[in-house]
Amino acid sequence: GENVEQHPSTLSVQEGDSAVIKCTYSDSASNYFPWYKQELGKRPQLIIDIRSNVGEKKDQRIAVTLNKTAKHFSLHITETQPEDSAVYFCAASSNTGKLIFGQGTTLQVKP
Amino acid sequence: SQTIHQWPATLVQPVGSPLSLECTVEGTSNPNLYWYRQAAGRGLQLLFYSVGIGQISSEVPQNLSASRPQDRQFILSSKKLLLSDSGFYLCAWSAGALNQPQHFGDGTRLSIL
Repeated sequence: GENVEQHPSTLSVQEGDSAVIKCTYSDSASNYFPWYKQELGKRPQLIIDIRSNVGEKKDQRIAVTLNKTAKHFSLHITETQPEDSAVYFCAASSNTGKLIFGQGTTLQVKP
Repeated sequence: SQTIHQWPATLVQPVGSPLSLECTVEGTSNPNLYWYRQAAGRGLQLLFYSVGIGQISSEVPQNLSASRPQDRQFILSSKKLLLSDSGFYLCAWSAGALNQPQHFGDGTRLSIL
């Protein structure tokens, strides 16, 4: 069945450093890849997404890259700040409209 | 603009009691609707999704059921709660077209005693 693997499960960086989270997906029909940020006790919030006709998308300090051939996509956060600390989820959607989520990455940005 | 309301925010229920969680969406028509459960420190597990009134797809066998009595209303229910039903329940919506972002409600934290 459809599966999304996310790595690492935890990531600790110093403030100002970059953070990279990687995901791989199994369904070659997947063509929409959102990323969510979830702060403790709060709802997941969409931070950036990418569609399969684009290889890279950037929004200020956040960027996402997609390699359809290898079936993997990555989230890049530059100049990390303490408020970036949260759990990040990747997801992949197929034409059924469902999102298959990765297991999440807990990012800690140390001041 | 579209908004999603989910209630209650927290709920403490005894084992064996019934459950009803409600979710409503405003500002859009014919949305896709979803119920997820998130165990503490874990990922998001899709429980049910609906593409229209009365159309419910169940993703995992469980003690829960879902209903969609109106276009923008999605209800999660149980006749008898189990300890394993504890968790953070999230409702989400997306536009009816394919490959659209999902937007989550604030969630219900359910504790079973």
